[in-house]
Amino acid sequence: EIVLTQSPGTLSLSPGERATLSCRASQSVSSSYLAWYQQKPGQAPRLLIYGASSRATGIPDRFSGSGSGTDFTLTISRLEPEDFAVYYCQQYGSSPSFGQGTKVEIK
Amino acid sequence: EVQLVQSGAEVKKPGESLKISCKGSGYSFTSYWIGWVRQMPGKGLEWMGIIYPGDSDTRYSPSFQGQVTISADKSISTAYLQWSSLKASDTAMYYCVRQYVIAAPFDYWGQGTLVTVSS
Repeated sequence: EIVLTQSPGTLSLSPGERATLSCRASQSVSSSYLAWYQQKPGQAPRLLIYGASSRATGIPDRFSGSGSGTDFTLTISRLEPEDFAVYYCQQYGSSPSFGQGTKVEIK
Repeated sequence: EVQLVQSGAEVKKPGESLKISCKGSGYSFTSYWIGWVRQMPGKGLEWMGIIYPGDSDTRYSPSFQGQVTISADKSISTAYLQWSSLKASDTAMYYCVRQYVIAAPFDYWGQGTLVTVSS
């Protein structure tokens, strides 16, 4: 089983700032089968990024993903008020697994 | 418009059985996999298993094998998650998700079904 570790656990930032979220895998994620999801309180998660760097349909270009192998990053270039949420990385190459989440909160 | 619509919240006692549902619409239900994801209160996401409604091929996470049963009725475009004997630790939100192939991201999510197990 691939274990994903996200850091930091909580990120306190102001609107307009840049957010950088990290996801590290316990072994290489095949073919960059790495996704990022956003979850707001009381809502189901929403797919943001797949294939490590491809934006899902309708996702603003302030969201970007990068990385390969065992190290991946989600960047939000300029935080909007609606971006404050919990973000999960996921590997979907074999038995899918998720990271524990990073909460992006308003400073 | 693709939609996954789940059944409503349930309150059950330990030892009772339960079957929750997920109805797909707006796409070819038999051409996509449907999976289930658990989220315990205040916790993260856990993948439980997946089914291909076209032929009922089913796979389970080792953590959930033997604990739940996933099934589907393609005639009514509905997938199911069931328990034969609930425990308090089954209290959680359960989401159904759609995948194009097994190694694919979860592109659509149901709204979630809250299951509460309490004596």
